[in-house]
Amino acid sequence: EIVLTQSPATLSLSPGERATLSCRASQSVSSYLAWYQQKPGQAPRLLIYDASNRATGIPARFSGSGSGTDFTLTISSLEPEDFAVYYCQQRSNWPPLYTFGQGTKLEIK
Amino acid sequence: QVQLVESGGGVVQPGRSLRLSCAASGFTFSSYGMHWVRQAPGKGLEWVAVISYDGSNKYYADSVKGRFTISRDNSKNTLYLQMNSLRAEDTAVYYCAKEGIAVARDAFDIWGQGTMVTVSS
Repeated sequence: EIVLTQSPATLSLSPGERATLSCRASQSVSSYLAWYQQKPGQAPRLLIYDASNRATGIPARFSGSGSGTDFTLTISSLEPEDFAVYYCQQRSNWPPLYTFGQGTKLEIK
Repeated sequence: QVQLVESGGGVVQPGRSLRLSCAASGFTFSSYGMHWVRQAPGKGLEWVAVISYDGSNKYYADSVKGRFTISRDNSKNTLYLQMNSLRAEDTAVYYCAKEGIAVARDAFDIWGQGTMVTVSS
């Protein structure tokens, strides 16, 4: 089973600052890596798929990078609405099983 | 618009069964794999199961294998999750989610609002 470890658990930043969130896989997941944003009481929203591709309607301040075992979600300049919990997710090659990281809470400093 | 609406959640005793439904609209349901993902109160996301577009392939998380069954009725644009032998640790909000399109198919691009399942005596 592939384990995804996200860091930090909590990130405290101010609007306008740059946020860098990390997701590390216990073994290579190629580029099968996605990022989601979840706000309290809401369903998750897809931000990034295939490690670096923005989903439809996602602002350009969100970007993803990485391959293999190390991945990063970057928010270039934080807007007030960006403070939320972020999850990474991967799909194993075979059988096709899916796992999520434990999440990073991005909070206002 | 593209929409997923879950139903069927509630309070159930340990060892009993429950069936969740997810009604899809706004897209060609029969063309996409579908997933169930759950979230225990105050916890992170946990993938539960996936079913292929035609229902021929199904895969489960180890935590639910042998107890939960995912299925679909493409004529009704509906996804199901039959949950048997429920345990307290199955208490969670259950989301249905659609697989992404083309190169995004390993991600979940549309989510329902979730339905709460509470397993308690």
